[in-house]
Amino acid sequence: AQSVAQPEDQVNVAEGNPLTVKCTYSVSGNPYLFWYVQYPNRGLQFLLKYITGDNLVKGSYGFEAEFNKSQTSFHLKKPSALVSDSALYFCAVSLRNSGNTPLVFGKGTRLSVIA
Amino acid sequence: DAMVIQNPRYQVTQFGKPVTLSCSQTLNHNVMYWYQQKSSQAPKLLFHYYDKDFNNEADTPDNFQSRRPNTSFCFLDIRSPGLGDAAMYLCATSGGTTSVGEQYFGPGTRLTVT
Repeated sequence: AQSVAQPEDQVNVAEGNPLTVKCTYSVSGNPYLFWYVQYPNRGLQFLLKYITGDNLVKGSYGFEAEFNKSQTSFHLKKPSALVSDSALYFCAVSLRNSGNTPLVFGKGTRLSVIA
Repeated sequence: DAMVIQNPRYQVTQFGKPVTLSCSQTLNHNVMYWYQQKSSQAPKLLFHYYDKDFNNEADTPDNFQSRRPNTSFCFLDIRSPGLGDAAMYLCATSGGTTSVGEQYFGPGTRLTVT
């Protein structure tokens, strides 16, 4: 079964410092991987995805993620954190290796950027 | 702007009193999803429609039903809400040809059961 793990419940980082939010996955076949962000009392917003191609994926708001097949990881990164990046971040994998199918989400990581 | 709209944003219902949550979309996506999210946990898929084909998750309680009368609208019916059904309910869509796999979420409906 497809699954994702986010090992950290909380990540704290100082404004201006680089940030990393970790995600590992377990899938059969080639994965479709996603990152979403959720602000308080809001729905989830798509940040970026990996389907195929370049292992480094760039997304919204300066975020990027690196697909590492050997380590089965898809960590989210940003070179310089902003206070406004503070939110709940979810990694997700597609249930089936095609588009437009349900996602399985990790438990989420709360990012806190401190001024 | 094309979007996913959920109404109401906040819903209070009494224990056992049926409630309906609504979702509409202007994206013309063929897939619509309903997720349940409890207090900062991961969203949990309840069911989804692929066009008119209804797909229920195995562990979705019978208390939860859904209707999709047309492409634009989808409803979540909770027949007899219990205290444990208090949660944020998220509607999402997918199906764009240029956004394979991406899901577009509405703002959610927060359900309180008293």
